[in-house]
This record gives sequence, C-alpha cells and structure tokens, in this order.
Amino acid sequence: AQSVAQPEDQVNVAEGNPLTVKCTYSVSGNPYLFWYVQYPNRGLQFLLKYITGDNLVKGSYGFEAEFNKSQTSFHLKKPSALVSDSALYFCAAMNTGFQKLVFGTGTRLLVSP
Amino acid sequence: DGGITQSPKYLFRKEGQNVTLSCEQNLNHDAMYWYRQDPGQGLRLIYYSQIVNDFQKGDIAEGYSVSREKKESFPLTVTSAQKNPTAFYLCASSIVGGPYNEQFFGPGTRLTVL
Repeated sequence: AQSVAQPEDQVNVAEGNPLTVKCTYSVSGNPYLFWYVQYPNRGLQFLLKYITGDNLVKGSYGFEAEFNKSQTSFHLKKPSALVSDSALYFCAAMNTGFQKLVFGTGTRLLVSP
Repeated sequence: DGGITQSPKYLFRKEGQNVTLSCEQNLNHDAMYWYRQDPGQGLRLIYYSQIVNDFQKGDIAEGYSVSREKKESFPLTVTSAQKNPTAFYLCASSIVGGPYNEQFFGPGTRLTVL
C-alpha cells in the first residue's frame, strides 16, 4: 500500500535561515511526488512536483525539493526562509495507477522574525 | 484557490440532519475529488469522479454520498449515517490523463455538528 510519512509535526526556523521539511514515501512503481502548502482555513496550493528526470525540482515561491530514490525521500527546501512561509505543508504521492493522491499528515512550518 | 469554488464556507448541522456541500469548477477538468481533513491526519479521500455520471468510493466513503450530473459540479452530501462529520472538507479537480497532473483545491467548507 502507498504511504507518505512526514516525521516532523512542526519545524521552527529563523527568518533568513535555510529550511528543510522532510518527506519519505512508499509507493509501487515509479513515484510521482508533490508538495502542497496550506494557509489557515484555506485550500491547498500546489508548490512543485517530481515526475522524472532531474532530482532537484524547483517550484513556486523559491521552494525546491530533492528526490532521492535510494532513501525514498522528497524533502522540501528553501535557501532563505520568510515569515510569510509559515504554514502547513503536505507531501503527497501517487503511483502509476489511478490518480489517487496519498497525503502525509502535514508539517507545520513556523518562521520567526 | 484557482477556479474552484466551495460553498458554504461554514456549515452547522444538527445531529440526524443531512447536509450538502457544493463544489463547482470552471477549469474544464474531468476529474473531481472530495477530501476530509482532520487535525494531525492529513487529507483522506472520500469520493472521486473521473467523468460525468460516474464516481468511485475513496478510503472513507461511509456516511457520504455524491453525484456528478455536470462536468463542473460535484456536490457532497454528509448523511446522518456519518457518525463524526465535524471536519474541514476540501474539493479538488484535475486533468485526467496521467498520474503526474496536480490537483487544484477549493477554499474548503468547515462543517460543525451541533
């Protein structure tokens, strides 16, 4: 069965510092991986996705993610955090079957001034 | 939140009542989805539809029902059989054709049982 794990409930980082939000996955076949962000009482916004090719994927708002097949990980990164990046981040995976996304439990990112 | 609208934003239900959540999209997407979000549990799939007049159960379909009579609309009914309906409900849509197509989400409806 597919599963996505986000081992940290919350990540705290100071503004201007680099941030990493961790994600590991377990899917059959080739993985299709996504990151979404959610602000309070809002829907999810798509940040980036990995399909194939370059292991470093660049997305919206300066975020990027590194795909590591041997570690089955897809960590979200940003070189310099902003206070406005504070939100709930979800990692999701889909296999080569039907378009059914499996979500992690989410990681709350708190960026302090 | 793109071209997906959900209404109402907040909904209060008395025990034993059925309520219907609206989801409309103008993105011309064939696929639509309903998710339930509970704190600390991520998003769980309730129902999905890839084409008009067809839909399938997701992981937690018990106590819910849907219809897909129009491409742009996918309403969700929370029935009295759903024992713990208080949650944040999210509707999404996507292109059909490959597992790499991202889903677009609406702003959500927060349902509270009184």
